Amino acid sequence: SQTIHQWPATLVQPVGSPLSLECTVEGTSNPNLYWYRQAAGRGLQLLFYSVGIGQISSEVPQNLSASRPQDRQFILSSKKLLLSDSGFYLCAHQRGLGNTIYFGEGSWLTVV
Amino acid sequence: EDQVTQSPEALRLQEGESSSLNCSYTVSGLRGLFWYRQDPGKGPEFLFTLYSAGEEKEKERLKATLTKKESFLHITAPKPEDSATYLCAVQATTSGSRLTFGEGTQLTVNP
Repeated sequence: SQTIHQWPATLVQPVGSPLSLECTVEGTSNPNLYWYRQAAGRGLQLLFYSVGIGQISSEVPQNLSASRPQDRQFILSSKKLLLSDSGFYLCAHQRGLGNTIYFGEGSWLTVV
Repeated sequence: EDQVTQSPEALRLQEGESSSLNCSYTVSGLRGLFWYRQDPGKGPEFLFTLYSAGEEKEKERLKATLTKKESFLHITAPKPEDSATYLCAVQATTSGSRLTFGEGTQLTVNP
């Protein structure tokens, strides 16, 4: 079965500090991978998606970047966090276009 | 541009009171429409995928239907444990891997 791991679950970071959120997927090969952000009480905003190693598409110009160093690993990063980067970050994977998309448990980021 | 609109934003029901949630979408070609349930502080949990108009899927008290312009999530005789935010998303044939979400409907079922 396919599982998705996302960590850390919660973190509090000062403004200007770096960020690294990690996501790994098990049980599938060459998945489509996604990073979403969700503000409180709102829908999901797509930040990045990847169809393969080293292939990253950015949806929203911002202070964040993503990388896919391995087939089943997706990393969300920032060199200097802003207050506006606070939110609930979700990683997701899809075996192929049109197939079910599964989400991780999310990472709560508070920038102070 | 792909668009997804969910209504109502919030819905309060009494236990046993059936109702429907709406998801209207605009895409140039639909690859799939997805329904998710999200509990507070958790990642979305997959419920259904619908691919073509006329398709229906059921799971316990939930039934999802699809037309060319919208999808409905019907909740029959809901229970308090059905309280959650329900999210709808579409993946279009012209948008590659991009998945576009609606803002969600927050459902509260009172005992």
